[in-house]
Formats: sequence, structure tokens, C-alpha cells
Amino acid sequence: NAGVMQNPRHLVRRRGQEARLRCSPMKGHSHVYWYRQLPEEGLKFMVYLQKENIIDESGMPKERFSAEFPKEGPSILRIQQVVRGDSAAYFCASSPDEGEQFFGPGTRLTVL
Amino acid sequence: RKEVEQDPGPFNVPEGATVAFNCTYSNSASQSFFWYRQDCRKEPKLLMSVYSSGNEDGRFTAQLNRASQYISLLIRDSKLSDSATYLCVVTFSYDKVIFGPGTSLSVIP
Repeated sequence: NAGVMQNPRHLVRRRGQEARLRCSPMKGHSHVYWYRQLPEEGLKFMVYLQKENIIDESGMPKERFSAEFPKEGPSILRIQQVVRGDSAAYFCASSPDEGEQFFGPGTRLTVL
Repeated sequence: RKEVEQDPGPFNVPEGATVAFNCTYSNSASQSFFWYRQDCRKEPKLLMSVYSSGNEDGRFTAQLNRASQYISLLIRDSKLSDSATYLCVVTFSYDKVIFGPGTSLSVIP
């Protein structure tokens, strides 16, 4: 059983471009969580999704950020018009229920 | 008050030492508790769940005190490989998962 997969592992964007981060949960997991970790800081919850539904997006910035988890395919975290402050590691986690979460290796976004 | 708080650290301890981390949470309706470990620039990995009766896994012991709303992690006989950041995780309601800021541990030869 493959673990949580994220791609790309590293992403470089210039200010104003769009960033798309993908997360494939573990097989059989229907809950997906996205977290952001700024350099030298802790994990910050962004959004919790189940298939085709956003359950909790209280940690998402109000503008430029969106997330989806379609019926088919990976979950996508989309950042429009990136700014330097968006540079961070973005981790995705999945779980079969509301318990233990399994994390992917993360995508490190660098905005030039 | 933050929802989940941890010892600020960092902790620098010699090999073989015993070290304890504390974590407090503010929501009395919290349901599940975990300790995760995060190595530098890697993803967090589950270390252990924390049960009301307390639980032990080798050199690691986790305790939960619901009345005082804190959990603890005890590491005995520290190894160099224990050096990492330890994250306290609390869930309340079915979808609210809060990570603490983490406590950094460095085990020194």
C-alpha cells in the first residue's frame, strides 16, 4: 500500500504565477488535510476535505487559495498570484476516519 | 490562549538521559490525542496515540490527564536518533485537528 503521495516535491514560481500542488491519499482513505509550514515554524492547518466536499476551510487564506478533492483524481491545493510570503512547505495528510493522519513528503514552494 | 501549547524548548540532553515534554490544550471537548515526530525538513510521523489509561511503547511513555487538560511524553534512555521536533496533536469534533508548535529535542553524544 503506497503512502500518501505529493507532487511536485519542489516547486519554484515567480511572483504572480499560479502554483498547483497535488496530493494522492493512501488507498482507502477518504479524508484529506492540507497544512502549511513556514520556515522555523509549526504546522498550520489549512483545509479538510472529503471526496467532492470541503468540510473545514477555516485555516485557508480568504483570497488566492483554493482546494478541491474531486471524485476521481488527487486533491489539489491551488495558489493564485503567488507572493514571496507563500514560500513554505505544504504537507498533505490522509486518514480513513478522524483518527491518525498519515503525511505525505510535502511540497516545498519557493516564490522568487 | 492558544488551543494547544507545548514546552518551548529546545531541549538539549546527553545520551541516556530521560526527558519529558508537556502539552496543554484549551478545549475540554477534545477527543483524541497523539504525539508526532518531525525530523528536519521531513513530514511528521505518528509516534504514538495517547490514551486515558496511559500507554507505553519501548522507551516512550505517553500520559493523558483530562481533568488538567494536558498530555505528556516521556523518553527514557535517549538516543542520538531521538533528536527531532515532537508535536502534540489534539482533535476535537470530527474534523478539528490542532497541532502544537512543537518542542525541539537534541540528544548530544
